[in-house]
Amino acid sequence: LAKTTQPISMDSYEGQEVNITCSHNNIATNDYITWYQQFPSQGPRFIIQGYKTKVTNEVASLFIPADRKSSTLSLPRVSLSDTAVYYCLVGDESGGYNKLIFGAGTRLAVHP
Amino acid sequence: EAQVTQNPRYLITVTGKKLTVTCSQNMNHEYMSWYRQDPGLGLRQIYYSMNVEVTDKGDVPEGYKVSRKEKRNFPLILESPSPNQTSLYFCASSFAGRDGQPQHFGDGTRLSIL
Repeated sequence: LAKTTQPISMDSYEGQEVNITCSHNNIATNDYITWYQQFPSQGPRFIIQGYKTKVTNEVASLFIPADRKSSTLSLPRVSLSDTAVYYCLVGDESGGYNKLIFGAGTRLAVHP
Repeated sequence: EAQVTQNPRYLITVTGKKLTVTCSQNMNHEYMSWYRQDPGLGLRQIYYSMNVEVTDKGDVPEGYKVSRKEKRNFPLILESPSPNQTSLYFCASSFAGRDGQPQHFGDGTRLSIL
């Protein structure tokens, strides 16, 4: 059973860089890693996805080592509005990798 | 506007009274999915559908049914709701389940089963 493990919570201050690591030891060879952000009382929102090495978009970077057993979401210069829960997502082999597994998420609190 | 629409947004009902939560998407997505979210447990997948008439169990399917008769709709059915199904439910859709296709989520349905 594919499973992801993330820290339960993290604290940061405005302007700092935040790195959240997700462990996914059983990720399939051709599976992607996807990260979502969720604010209270809202559905999760896609942030970034990657397969290997490094991916960057306008809001975040995703670092994936060669063995792909973990990934790190990097949020540059966080602000108060980045306070949210962050989830990493991989597929599960029991469903042909169409069955998707969210971790419990990392609750990020950004302080002034 | 591209969106996933769930109805109702809130529902309080009693044990055993059948209910249906509707989900509709206007993006012509093939993949649709239902999740429940409980404190400390994150999002857990209930059922998913790869396409019309193709559905499969997620991690927590017990007590739920789904159907996919049309591409745009994926209702979640609780035939005999129980208090342990009190939760926040999200419907999501994407072009495909795997290959990193980002999922688009609805705004959620908060169910309370008394």
